[in-house]
This record gives sequence, structure tokens and C-alpha cells, in this order.
Amino acid sequence: DAGVIQSPRHEVTEMGQEVTLRCKPISGHDYLFWYRQTMMRGLELLIYFNNNVPIDDSGMPEDRFSAKMPNASFSTLKIQPSEPRDSAVYFCASSARRGNQPQHFGDGTRLSIL
Amino acid sequence: GEDVEQSLFLSVREGDSSVINCTYTDSSSTYLYWYKQEPGAGLQLLTYIFSNMDMKQDQRLTVLLNKKDKHLSLRIADTQTGDSAIYFCAESIWNTGFQKLVFGTGTRLLVSP
Repeated sequence: DAGVIQSPRHEVTEMGQEVTLRCKPISGHDYLFWYRQTMMRGLELLIYFNNNVPIDDSGMPEDRFSAKMPNASFSTLKIQPSEPRDSAVYFCASSARRGNQPQHFGDGTRLSIL
Repeated sequence: GEDVEQSLFLSVREGDSSVINCTYTDSSSTYLYWYKQEPGAGLQLLTYIFSNMDMKQDQRLTVLLNKKDKHLSLRIADTQTGDSAIYFCAESIWNTGFQKLVFGTGTRLLVSP
């Protein structure tokens, strides 16, 4: 079984540029989560979807961040305009609907904003 | 509120047992999880325990749950250098009919030869 697939694995860009991170969840999973990990703040939940619908975006830091899930097999997290403090590792995870199913994580996108 | 706490570091020698501790806050959590993160990788599910259990064993891993004290521990027997990683505990929270996980800060385990 293919796991959660994220792209790109690494992204280096200049401040002010638009950044788009991509995620393909595990087939059949109904939940999709976006996390950000930094040394200072640890692992933060940014937003999560159920059946392609955003459920809770209270973790999105500010309006520069947006996330979409146009279909069950694809999600994007966009930062526009990007700032150096957005530098982090961004993880996508997915889980099945039934019961308390564990989340399965992708390998993350390491984002550096210069 | 939602808060999961872990100690930040643990250092052991190869062959010893490691015990990583975690406290959580939501008494209604039905599942509690342990994840492992190796450098440059995502979080990998190690094991989980249902809240009506007090112990679960899986090869070298033993999970102990004390619901009264909201305390969870992960014991790794015969710790190997390959076990060096960050270990996260997480509790499941149901919020308006939807489930999410609340993660601890992670415990960095260093295993020396």
C-alpha cells in the first residue's frame, strides 16, 4: 500500500513568493490533516478535513495560509506571501473514518524561506 | 484544555530498558498513541492502547496506562542504537463529532553504544 505522499520534499524560496505544498492521502481515508513542525513550537495542527470539507482551521496562523481539498485524493497548503518565519517542516497525515483510527503521516516538506 | 506533556530528553545505554512518560488531560480520550520520528522522516505509528486497557505488549514495546492519573508510558526493552529517535505520545480528542489527535512535545531518546 502506498502511504501518504507529499511533494516537494524540500522547498527553498525567497520571501514574498507563493509556496504550494501538496499531499496525496492514503486511498479510502476520510480525514486529512496538515501539521507544521518547528523546534520552537513542536508539532502544530494547522487544519483538518473530513470528506474533503474543512472542519477546523483554527490552527492556521494567519490569512497568508490557505488549504484546499478539491477531491478525496489531493490536498494543497498554500502560503502567499511567504515569510522567513514560515520556515518549518510541514506534514500531511490521513486516517480512516471508523472509530479512533491512527493517523498515517507523510515524510513532510522541509520549507526554507530566505 | 488540551495539553499532552512529555519530558524532552532521555539518554540510555544500548541493552538497557528505556521508559518514556506522558501525561494527558482529556479523561474521555478513548485511544492513546505512541509515534516515532527518525531524522528527516515523518511520524511512524509504533503502537496504541485503548482506554479500557491498562497494559499492552508488542514485542520489545510495553505500554502502560494509568487512567486515574492520566499517565501513559512506553517501555522499550533491550534498547538498540536504532531506537534513537523522537517519541511522541498523542491522545485522541472528539470535537463536535470529529476526531483529532493532540500530540505531546516529543521525547528525544539517545541510545549510546
